[in-house]
Order: sequence, then structure tokens, then C-alpha cells
Amino acid sequence: DTAVSQTPKYLVTQMGNDKSIKCEQNLGHDTMYWYKQDSKKFLKIMFSYNNKELIINETVPNRFSPKSPDKAHLNLHINSLELGDSAVYFCARGTGVCNEQFFGPGTRLTVL
Amino acid sequence: AQSVTQLDSQVPVFEEAPVELRCNYSSSVSVYLFWYVQYPNQGLQLLLKYLSGSTLVKGINGFEAEFNKSQTSFHLRKPSVHISDTAEYFCAVDTGGFKTIFGAGTRLFVKA
Repeated sequence: DTAVSQTPKYLVTQMGNDKSIKCEQNLGHDTMYWYKQDSKKFLKIMFSYNNKELIINETVPNRFSPKSPDKAHLNLHINSLELGDSAVYFCARGTGVCNEQFFGPGTRLTVL
Repeated sequence: AQSVTQLDSQVPVFEEAPVELRCNYSSSVSVYLFWYVQYPNQGLQLLLKYLSGSTLVKGINGFEAEFNKSQTSFHLRKPSVHISDTAEYFCAVDTGGFKTIFGAGTRLFVKA
């Protein structure tokens, strides 16, 4: 089973709030990712973690902070939410030498 | 740096007709190539991948893609599409590091 799970699936909140999205993968592979998909379906990498260490941070505002308590989890915490943060956020894990990606079902964040 | 260009943002096609979704990439090093599909309100899932060897790669749901090194292309094809193939399709490249670059996506719309 190659499942990547995310909670919650939908998140509606007010500007200025702080929220977290949880991600769990069940195979113990080391590399995990967060992606942001905007309304035009454009997919952009935000963070990459390998063996609980941050290895990619793609010019993401520091209001976004990934936290990896162990190899199976990579949670995304967002402070002071803004309207422009509204998007679908995907957690994924990479596997193999080619870094094939397995995606979670996504979290649709709506900031009002 | 690597980049991926999907030449068509939308491709409408009638059911049972053939379809080709075009993808070009640029890279100064060898790459691994992927096509992912995203059905409405779901995460991305792998259709097929090219790692090495035969340039014609077969994937799930009757899709195939051909790697052309001289033209730096990796076009996706299906000889006869179904309504259920309506989805967003993403071409992606990875050099075996920790970062996959995705194209902007092509929306395939299959009409009855």
C-alpha cells in the first residue's frame, strides 16, 4: 500500500488565522513534499524533506512552516493566513532513484 | 535548470478519437520523465514514466508516450479516448535529485 493521507480535506478559515494541515505516509520512505496548486491548476513545489531535514524551500513566505516529527509525517503550519493562500495543498512522497511522486488527496484551503 | 512546457492548455476531443498531448523539456543533464493524471477533486497519480531503455513507454488506461531525445519531447498518446479520460494531465521531469518539475498541465476534455 502506497497511501499518503492528508487531513483535513477541506479547510475554510478567516484571514489572519493560523492553521495546520497534517500529512502521513505509511511506507517509511524518506522524502516528502508539499505542493501548492492554484486555481489554474499550476503545481508548485513548496518544501521537500529528506530524513526529517529540510532540503528544498522554494521562496515560500516564512508564514509557512513545515514540521516533520518523524519520517512518516510532514505537517504544514500556516500563520496569519492571507486571501492569496487559498489553493489546494498536496502532500507527496518521493520514491526510487527517479523520485516518482505519490500524492495525497489534497487539502482545499479557502481563506475568507 | 530544468523546465517543462506543455504546448496545449486544453485539448477537446470526441470519444473514441485518438489524442496526443504534447510535452517538451529542457535540461543540461539526463532526466527521468513522467506523465501524471489528475481527475477532478483528486490528487495526481502516475500514468507512466521513462527511466531508460526503450523510448516507447506504456502506462495505465491505454496511454503511451514516446521519448525523443533529439527533440527533447515526451508526448502522450492514446489511440481511442473515453469519457472517463477527461482530466488534467501533467508532464514532469526529475534529474534524480529531490525536485520534480511539473508542466502547467493540459486539460483533456472528451466529448460524447
